[in-house]
Amino acid sequence: AQTVTQSQPEMSVQEAETVTLSCTYDTSESDYYLFWYKQPPSRQMILVIRQEAYKQQNATENRFSVNFQKAAKSFSLKISDSQLGDAAMYFCAYKTNSGYALNFGKGTSLLVTP
Amino acid sequence: GAGVSQTPSNKVTEKGKYVELRCDPISGHTALYWYRQSLGQGPEFLIYFQGTGAADDSGLPNDRFFAVRPEGSVSTLKIQRTERGDSAVYLCASSLIPRGAGELFFGEGSRLTVL
Repeated sequence: AQTVTQSQPEMSVQEAETVTLSCTYDTSESDYYLFWYKQPPSRQMILVIRQEAYKQQNATENRFSVNFQKAAKSFSLKISDSQLGDAAMYFCAYKTNSGYALNFGKGTSLLVTP
Repeated sequence: GAGVSQTPSNKVTEKGKYVELRCDPISGHTALYWYRQSLGQGPEFLIYFQGTGAADDSGLPNDRFFAVRPEGSVSTLKIQRTERGDSAVYLCASSLIPRGAGELFFGEGSRLTVL
């Protein structure tokens, strides 16, 4: 079974600063996909960024980037120039290449202070 | 509609009652998923529909839980004889491409409270 671990229940960052959220996963698969989802108080999960395991290049989406270390099974999210609107729960998720169900971690609550 | 719509937004019921939660996916999305999110946890997979059929219901916790999608669009999650442990946010998602890197689009969930 695949497991996703987010070891930081809460993180805090000042506006305009950079923060990194950690995620590790356990799998015996070689082909899979990793995702970061954001869940604001509205409860709607929103995709932030995704990474294909076969790609060596780290994914980036504007202020969001990942550090994907396949051998270490690590997938951290870096948020640059943090904004008040980034405050939310962030979930790391895993999906196998042949599967369709996302396997989520427990989440990290991100607080952004002015 | 533009996004995934879930009703009701909040539901309070008494132990032992029957509950139905509805999900209206994005038009044209053939894949539909139900997840359950307990307090302080990440979403847990319940069931996956491809079209009208339940392709995988391995996440349903027991036979009190059942879901249908009769016309391949709207889905209803049904919970019989509710228990306090069923209290959670029930999230629905849909996608155009169910496998691989296909993005899941989530609704805002239905918060169920069983007293």
